[in-house]
Amino acid sequence: KNEVEQSPQNLTAQEGEFITINCSYSVGISALHWLQQHPGGGIVSLFMLSSGKKKHGRLIATINIQEKHSSLHITASHPRDSAVYICAVKGRTQGGSEKLVFGKGTKLTVNP
Amino acid sequence: DTEVTQTPKHLVMGMTNKKSLKCEQHMGHRAMYWYKQKAKKPPELMFVYSYEKLSINESVPSRFSPECPNSSLLNLHLHALQPEDSALYLCASSQEQGGLSGNTIYFGEGSWLTVV
Repeated sequence: KNEVEQSPQNLTAQEGEFITINCSYSVGISALHWLQQHPGGGIVSLFMLSSGKKKHGRLIATINIQEKHSSLHITASHPRDSAVYICAVKGRTQGGSEKLVFGKGTKLTVNP
Repeated sequence: DTEVTQTPKHLVMGMTNKKSLKCEQHMGHRAMYWYKQKAKKPPELMFVYSYEKLSINESVPSRFSPECPNSSLLNLHLHALQPEDSALYLCASSQEQGGLSGNTIYFGEGSWLTVV
């Protein structure tokens, strides 16, 4: 079982729709990252959160530490939101050092 | 300046070539990372430098050789690569390595590597 599970794997929406992407994790964490990756490759850090809720423009991220679950919401979605959204949490390397453990990503396509 | 700059953006190299990927940040971050990403897969950690010292090597083959000349620069030297090493190589940085819990991680745009 992966330490970080995202759903859905793929999501297609019409412009203007409200989008929700979910992330569940099995490791104990103190912070969770939501990242956005465009087809060009670069990754942008959207949020880092350890409790509650954060909002940036049309993006909202929530986390429930007890349930080990986080959601990323996009309001009034736009074609430029089309990207892969990745959830990442702190895990451990085999040697015991900290590293980010990534979910497999959710590919979002917003059609005009 | 919250940028991590990677060069080149695209690199095609033969299996006998020696090339390097470069990464630069001027945010004063003391932790820098190399990730490898294959198509439709999440990034995989390769190396971590903390305070210019190699702190994590995720059992990466020796044909990949990282170097951190100073706190702003991170290189990845490539030699005798295989076609299966073709991937997107991402550099990232954060304030501290041990502070992953509380530090935002910044990624570069990546270098697309093709080994022929």
